Amino acid sequence: IAGITQAPTSQILAAGRRMTLRCTQDMRHNAMYWYRQDLGLGLRLIHYSNTAGTTGKGEVPDGYSVSRANTDDFPLTLASAVPSQTSVYFCASSDGTGAQGYTFGSGTRLTVV
Amino acid sequence: GQNIDQPTEMTATEGAIVQINCTYQTSGFNGLFWYQQHAGEAPTFLSYNVLDGLEEKGRFSSFLSRSKGYSYLLLKELQMKDSASYLCAVFMIKAAGNKLTFGGGTRVLVKP
Repeated sequence: IAGITQAPTSQILAAGRRMTLRCTQDMRHNAMYWYRQDLGLGLRLIHYSNTAGTTGKGEVPDGYSVSRANTDDFPLTLASAVPSQTSVYFCASSDGTGAQGYTFGSGTRLTVV
Repeated sequence: GQNIDQPTEMTATEGAIVQINCTYQTSGFNGLFWYQQHAGEAPTFLSYNVLDGLEEKGRFSSFLSRSKGYSYLLLKELQMKDSASYLCAVFMIKAAGNKLTFGGGTRVLVKP
């Protein structure tokens, strides 16, 4: 593993199903983030975690939950998927100061039908 | 709320120069990032401006004016591989946690 790994790469999901998007980093970054990217709307923050054991809500948190049991992993769960959650999801991490920029995973393309 | 504006799309010719403008009105400001994102890929870091002025890095330069809430990314000697989206993002340090808020992105198409 080098950087941030997201899984799956893509998924087609039936509405109403539960889904967890996985994110793992090996840079020992304190802070991790989940963004969704939709055409014309740019990247919008869903949830974030400043350090293991803490999480916070971003700009568009409804319908999503996260956990941060350890430094490396930051899964995103859709409890009951809806078509409006069709998007590309990016996980990112930073050293906490942010000055070195955020490192992004390769993304998960999710389609809810 | 946060407002970060950049043009939706720009077209330029190979070898030319393109300037992508970004204006922002945010509740805080600790720096401005520019990211490049090729279609279907993750955003990658290009530049970070904290103080006013021009930062040059090879063919890419980024400018910041904090008093005007304005930044631009300058791409010189355009190459076909520069066809991508360019994302402007404002970084804010908050007690509840640091935030990076993005504009909608500018898609740049480089033509031969």
